[in-house]
Amino acid sequence: EAQVTQNPRYLITVTGKKLTVTCSQNMNHEYMSWYRQDPGLGLRQIYYSMNVEVTDKGDVPEGYKVSRKEKRNFPLILESPSPNQTSLYFCASSFKGQGEQFFGPGTRLTVL
Amino acid sequence: SQQGEEDPQALSIQEGENATMNCSYKTSINNLQWYRQNSGRGLVHLILIRSNEREKHSGRLRVTLDTSKKSSSLLITASRAADTASYFCAPAGGGATNKLIFGTGTLLAVQP
Repeated sequence: EAQVTQNPRYLITVTGKKLTVTCSQNMNHEYMSWYRQDPGLGLRQIYYSMNVEVTDKGDVPEGYKVSRKEKRNFPLILESPSPNQTSLYFCASSFKGQGEQFFGPGTRLTVL
Repeated sequence: SQQGEEDPQALSIQEGENATMNCSYKTSINNLQWYRQNSGRGLVHLILIRSNEREKHSGRLRVTLDTSKKSSSLLITASRAADTASYFCAPAGGGATNKLIFGTGTLLAVQP
């Protein structure tokens, strides 16, 4: 089954404790993105990747890192999480940059 | 920014009625996409309309695009309680980067 998976689905952590949210897709898509969704603000793109070893900042990249060492994986790294990073995070992939995007189920992160 | 702005922000209708949501954007686009999000879940792609198309159908969905007015509409006919969700438009502008920018969405409630 074609899908985008994210782990963990729920995470409660404390300020400053490094964490990684994994994202994997099995559709051989070149393009992958991370979004955060906050009430009243919609979805905002954090980082995106056009291919292996090619990443770029989205609209809200501060406080986040990403890597794309393999085509299928695109982890999101929070080196020192802060409470303002409490949010619902989505990973997405697509065959073309502006084509249909396939979203993961989301990761609800709470930073205390 | 080519961010889509959905209107209305919220819409409540009875089962069997039609629901119409509108989207406006500011710059030229290659295509425009509509997505649905059930509460707290990942977004699901509904339909993509290219800039040279004026209307597109998919099941009970009808999308129109007016590039001269920089606007699009999504019509859901004969709505069902299962259509209750948030609906987002995502204009895709020029360039090869993965830059779909989502608005805050229209929250549709279909009363049984």
